[in-house]
Amino acid sequence: ETGVTQTPRHLVMGMTNKKSLKCEQHLGHNAMYWYKQSAKKPLELMFVYNFKEQTENNSVPSRFSPECPNSSHLFLHLHTLQPEDSALYLCASSPTSGGAADTQYFGPGTRLTVL
Amino acid sequence: AQSVTQPDIHITVSEGASLELRCNYSYGATPYLFWYVQSPGQGLQLLLKYFSGDTLVQGIKGFEAEFKRSQSSFNLRKPSVHWSDAAEYFCAVGATGGSYIPTFGRGTSLIVHP
Repeated sequence: ETGVTQTPRHLVMGMTNKKSLKCEQHLGHNAMYWYKQSAKKPLELMFVYNFKEQTENNSVPSRFSPECPNSSHLFLHLHTLQPEDSALYLCASSPTSGGAADTQYFGPGTRLTVL
Repeated sequence: AQSVTQPDIHITVSEGASLELRCNYSYGATPYLFWYVQSPGQGLQLLLKYFSGDTLVQGIKGFEAEFKRSQSSFNLRKPSVHWSDAAEYFCAVGATGGSYIPTFGRGTSLIVHP
């Protein structure tokens, strides 16, 4: 499989559930990102990992917990979410350890609905 | 900090017509500029990017964009739109001397009429 893959593609969860989103990149990149995409709002950067180390946490609530076990995999653990957390969650990767000139490669996203 | 504005939420064009999507940025120096496209149910895909040099940049799928420093703009153009171009288009700006994460605009939704 090539590019950036995300599973599951769709997720419906209750506010008391615990679930995880998975992202895998097959591009040999060193940086990985989580974004939240809500309708008609700019992409919201959530977390950045460079060489498995978290380098950016954009004031994300603690109910979102990222994990990056290696440069190819990125997880987003979810617990006690709120309905306003319903959105498309996009994973991306880029070649170097983060750079303004880097092209980001995005996965197809996970459509999350919190009931 | 850098910022980017896409003033048009929706743009509707007829198939075969020309297209121009607007993007204005705010940054004190020459930025890195990107256009991404998001088709329904998909992630974002890079169309083109500008770093330096020639201000007219060619991208994939027949798109081009022109960097105009005097207008702080980086508008995306295509001479003849195809129905498959219907998608969401995002402009992004990366600061050459600051945060290394590009800032994205809100997006412009392109609707193509047959």
